[in-house]
Amino acid sequence: DTGVSQNPRHKITKRGQNVTFRCDPISEHNRLYWYRQTLGQGPEFLTYFQNEAQLEKSRLLSDRFSAERPKGSFSTLEIQRTEQGDSAMYLCASSLEGAGQPYEQYFGPGTRLTVT
Amino acid sequence: TQLLEQSPQFLSIQEGENLTVYCNSSSVFSSLQWYRQEPGEGPVLLVTVVTGGEVKKLKRLTFQFGDARKDSSLHITAAQPGDTGLYLCAGARGGGSNYKLTFGKGTLLTVNP
Repeated sequence: DTGVSQNPRHKITKRGQNVTFRCDPISEHNRLYWYRQTLGQGPEFLTYFQNEAQLEKSRLLSDRFSAERPKGSFSTLEIQRTEQGDSAMYLCASSLEGAGQPYEQYFGPGTRLTVT
Repeated sequence: TQLLEQSPQFLSIQEGENLTVYCNSSSVFSSLQWYRQEPGEGPVLLVTVVTGGEVKKLKRLTFQFGDARKDSSLHITAAQPGDTGLYLCAGARGGGSNYKLTFGKGTLLTVNP
């Protein structure tokens, strides 16, 4: 399978704990995005990387959130001191930038986080 | 703030019926993508439209991008239970922010056998 993969698929944690999610993009894609989706809403942009550089962070990404893409391949999203409001589906997507590309983004299956 | 409004929010129809869902905005997008999402899964890309007035067909699905590139529609002919899912539209702006997708809330379609 050469699509975007995310691990774990589900995570249940207690409030105040730290959690880390991993995303492996499509291998030749140089752009990687993180989105968050809550019930009844469409995905909302969190941050994106071009290769290893993090180029933008949404206002939704508080100081408790940090994302890395150390070698321009896989990415991790860490949430420190989780709160119940962090409960959501965290989606990763990747795309290939190129002249004339419509910037199509391909999504992984998501990580469902539940904070109790 | 959601810049893309999708309607209807919910749609329940019988197998074999036709349907149209809409995606509207006051903003211009350089491209617009339609996704289908099933419960507990990530969105799956169906189509990308980039030219005003463009029409794309994917089997029983017809996608249209408005002339002004502010709105789009998805028409499904002879709906089947396998079409059930959440249909999301997402727009990308031009220039430096072209990478970031803005999503609507989606249309939840149920096709009953």
